[in-house]
Amino acid sequence: ETGVTQSPTHLIKTRGQQVTLRCSSQSGHNTVSWYQQALGQGPQFIFQYYREEENGRGNFPPRFSGLQFPNYSSELNVNALELDDSALYLCASSSIIGRGSYNEQFFGPGTRLTVL
Amino acid sequence: QKEVEQNSGPLSVPEGAIASLNCTYSDRGSQSFFWYRQYSGKSPELIMSIYSNGDKEDGRFTAQLNKASQYVSLLIRDSQPSDSATYLCAVNDFNKFYFGSGTKLNVKP
Repeated sequence: ETGVTQSPTHLIKTRGQQVTLRCSSQSGHNTVSWYQQALGQGPQFIFQYYREEENGRGNFPPRFSGLQFPNYSSELNVNALELDDSALYLCASSSIIGRGSYNEQFFGPGTRLTVL
Repeated sequence: QKEVEQNSGPLSVPEGAIASLNCTYSDRGSQSFFWYRQYSGKSPELIMSIYSNGDKEDGRFTAQLNKASQYVSLLIRDSQPSDSATYLCAVNDFNKFYFGSGTKLNVKP
């Protein structure tokens, strides 16, 4: 167990709806990254939050947004859901000293999102 | 588009043998390199991290990095059936992570 928790475990939504996924980072970690993993693929980096600010972003549209709270927990929000958003959403926590100085990431169990 | 390439496999090895997993990456500016193991239906689990050229050993696992060739590998000695999983190579470039699609390893008893 990594100490990283995610909720909910599973979620079913319909196209056009909005969803919020939650992540609690491991104790002592100050950075949270979010990933989307489609079946048979590697995780795709969505974005990273450090000290409550977005600290890097992958190739995802603006309808993917996030927040980080003072306790370092984080939310991923996806608006206007599309069928292709169906995937496993992973949160990973780590501790970095400053921007660009990177330590190991530890993943939570993930949230399986199905969009119908 | 920065890429991390892995052979999808499956790579089949007999129990007790050495499994060799390979990964290449496209961005010469990449700074940190990681190997994760992912069992079916589970999230990735960190196995090894490597930051400088050469070898790094941890138990049955050895990670090898060659930045000039943009190549990173993972050796698993004395492979066990419990090692059967998908192995993901990850590369860090400043504030972004890039994962390969993974290599499926089957260790036959």
